[in-house]
Amino acid sequence: AQSVTQLDSQVPVFEEAPVELRCNYSSSVSVYLFWYVQYPNQGLQLLLKYLSGSTLVKGINGFEAEFNKSQTSFHLRKPSVHISDTAEYFCAVSEETSYDKVIFGPGTSLSVIP
Amino acid sequence: DTGVSQDPRHKITKRGQNVTFRCDPISEHNRLYWYRQTLGQGPEFLTYFQNEAQLEKSRLLSDRFSAERPKGSFSTLEIQRTEQGDSAMYLCASSLGTEYTFGSGTRLTVV
Repeated sequence: AQSVTQLDSQVPVFEEAPVELRCNYSSSVSVYLFWYVQYPNQGLQLLLKYLSGSTLVKGINGFEAEFNKSQTSFHLRKPSVHISDTAEYFCAVSEETSYDKVIFGPGTSLSVIP
Repeated sequence: DTGVSQDPRHKITKRGQNVTFRCDPISEHNRLYWYRQTLGQGPEFLTYFQNEAQLEKSRLLSDRFSAERPKGSFSTLEIQRTEQGDSAMYLCASSLGTEYTFGSGTRLTVV
């Protein structure tokens, strides 16, 4: 079974500063990896996904993530954050061989300080 | 198609009552998922359907919970004899492949 760890439950960062949100996963099989964002009182929205190919994945809103198989990590980064990036960010994993379900991490709350 | 719709957005119920939530997925999506999210936590998988077949149920889904997807279109999630611990956001998502589209959720409060 897969599992996801997000080590930082809360990350405060000043506007226009860079940010990295950490994600580590555990799985006995090859996986697909995802980052979702949830704005207050809204559903989740896909930021980016890694299925195969290049380990550096670019997503919406200037975010990118790098898949590191040896470290079983999929950290999310943005070089310069904006106030509007304040939200909850969830890392998620699913088995590569099936589309049955995605397992989510506990989330990281990103607060951008003006 | 405007995305995944969930109804109602909010539901307040007394302990012991039954509640039913509805999810209308994106029409061409054959897979539909239910998740539960409590405050400060990530979504927890409950169950999923491929077309009308319910393919997996989480151990989180007690006998008081039942989900259906008649004709492979909309889905309903029913909770019988609600308990205060059932208070949560119930999220529905649909997909055709690896990417999920989520609805805005139904927030259940059991008093």
